[in-house]
Amino acid sequence: ETGVTQTPRHLVMGMTNKKSLKCEQHLGHNAMYWYKQSAKKPLELMFVYNFKEQTENNSVPSRFSPECPNSSHLFLHLHTLQPEDSALYLCASSPGEGNDEQYFGPGTRLTVT
Amino acid sequence: AQTVTQSQPEMSVQEAETVTLSCTYDTSESDYYLFWYKQPPSRQMILVIRQEAYKQQNATENRFSVNFQKAAKSFSLKISDSQLGDAAMYFCAYRRNSGYALNFGKGTSLLVTP
Repeated sequence: ETGVTQTPRHLVMGMTNKKSLKCEQHLGHNAMYWYKQSAKKPLELMFVYNFKEQTENNSVPSRFSPECPNSSHLFLHLHTLQPEDSALYLCASSPGEGNDEQYFGPGTRLTVT
Repeated sequence: AQTVTQSQPEMSVQEAETVTLSCTYDTSESDYYLFWYKQPPSRQMILVIRQEAYKQQNATENRFSVNFQKAAKSFSLKISDSQLGDAAMYFCAYRRNSGYALNFGKGTSLLVTP
């Protein structure tokens, strides 16, 4: 248990659906991240938030929309996804300064049908 | 862009033996951080060990140690006295000094046999 939780753990959605992934951290961290983990590929950074402000968007398609209402919560809103978006979506948090460790959540296994 | 290469998709080690996982990276920067993360079958990624590039001394955490060769841009992980619980995917990662993002390698799947 790393102090970062993600819900749901598994999600199956159609291409026309709208769903949201939720991440919560109980560590008092200031930075939060979304990563995508696909089979046979390195983890890909999607978004970074620091003090609720988005600091990085790694050329992610607009069908993925992040939201960070406060430093403890991070959402990933999904709409009109494609089958190739099926992957494990990992959330992470870190103190937000210096050489800090990122703490990962257990991930949401997303399947787009 | 920085790239991280893990050339061993799979490795196997017997319990109590030692195994070394390889990692190389490409960067033009002189100050950065390197990490090894472990992802067990439960999928929660945890940090195993980290190394600051400005430190010449190799990092050590109990049975885990690294061989950091800055000039060669190599960062291997040695696991001593391997245990069944060490079985997992191991990811090497790079972070530049002035950023937040981790750049990961594709991972090495470690199997530990009794």
